[in-house]
Amino acid sequence: DIVMTQTPLSSPVTLGQPASISCRSSQSLVHSDGNTYLSWLHQRPGQPPRLLIYKISNRFSGVPDRFSGSGAGTDFTLRINKVEADDVGVYYCMQSTQFPYTFGQGTKLEIK
Amino acid sequence: QVQLVESGGDVLQPGGSLRISCAASGFTFSSYAMHWVRQTPGKGLEWVAIVWYDGSEKYYADSVKGRFTVSRDNSRNTLYLQLNSLRAEDTAVYYCAKGRGTSIPGFDYWGQGTLVTVSS
Repeated sequence: DIVMTQTPLSSPVTLGQPASISCRSSQSLVHSDGNTYLSWLHQRPGQPPRLLIYKISNRFSGVPDRFSGSGAGTDFTLRINKVEADDVGVYYCMQSTQFPYTFGQGTKLEIK
Repeated sequence: QVQLVESGGDVLQPGGSLRISCAASGFTFSSYAMHWVRQTPGKGLEWVAIVWYDGSEKYYADSVKGRFTVSRDNSRNTLYLQLNSLRAEDTAVYYCAKGRGTSIPGFDYWGQGTLVTVSS
C-alpha cells in the first residue's frame, strides 16, 4: 500500500497569514494514464470531509482561489493564501492512483 | 445538487452482521462508481470499497476483504455495504462517496456518514 505522510500534524496560524501543508507518498503517484491522482480534503469538526483539490492542483467546484496545490511525483503541498476563520479543521491528502486508496494522517489547522 | 444520505448504522456485538445504505440523488447514479470510506478516531480515514457504475467490478481494502460486500441498486439509486463477522476495530463512521467519473480515479462528494459501533 502507498503510505501518505503529512507534515506538520498541527499548524497554528494567525488570521490573514499564509499556511502550508506538505504531503509525501511512499512511491510515485503518477498513474499509467499520465495523471497524478493526489487530492486534498478539508474536514470541519462534526462534518464529513469535502474535496478541495484534485489531480495535484485543480480546485473543486466552489473552492476559493485562496487554496492552491502543487507538487509532483512523491512530494505535494497545499497552500492557503490568507487563512480565514472558516478554514479551521483537519486537512488530509489522499492518493487515488492505486488501490487501496490511502490518506495522510491529517493536519489540524487552528487559529492562534 | 448532489446528495448522499447514509443510514442503517447501529450498535452490534462482535461477530454480528449489518447492512448500511446510501441513498443518492442529484446526479445520474448509474453513471458513477461509488465508494465506502470509514473514519475512526484512532486510524483516521480508511478507504473500504468501490463498486463500478454498473456493479461489474468491486475492490476492497484487505482489512475487510471476505467480510464486507459492496453492492448497488441502480433502479433505486442506492448503494449498500453488507458488514459480516464484525470486529471491534470495525467501529467507525461509514461514509459513502461518489466517484469522480468514468475511468477517473477518486471521489468528490461525501455523505454525512452513519455510525457503526461493535462492542460486547
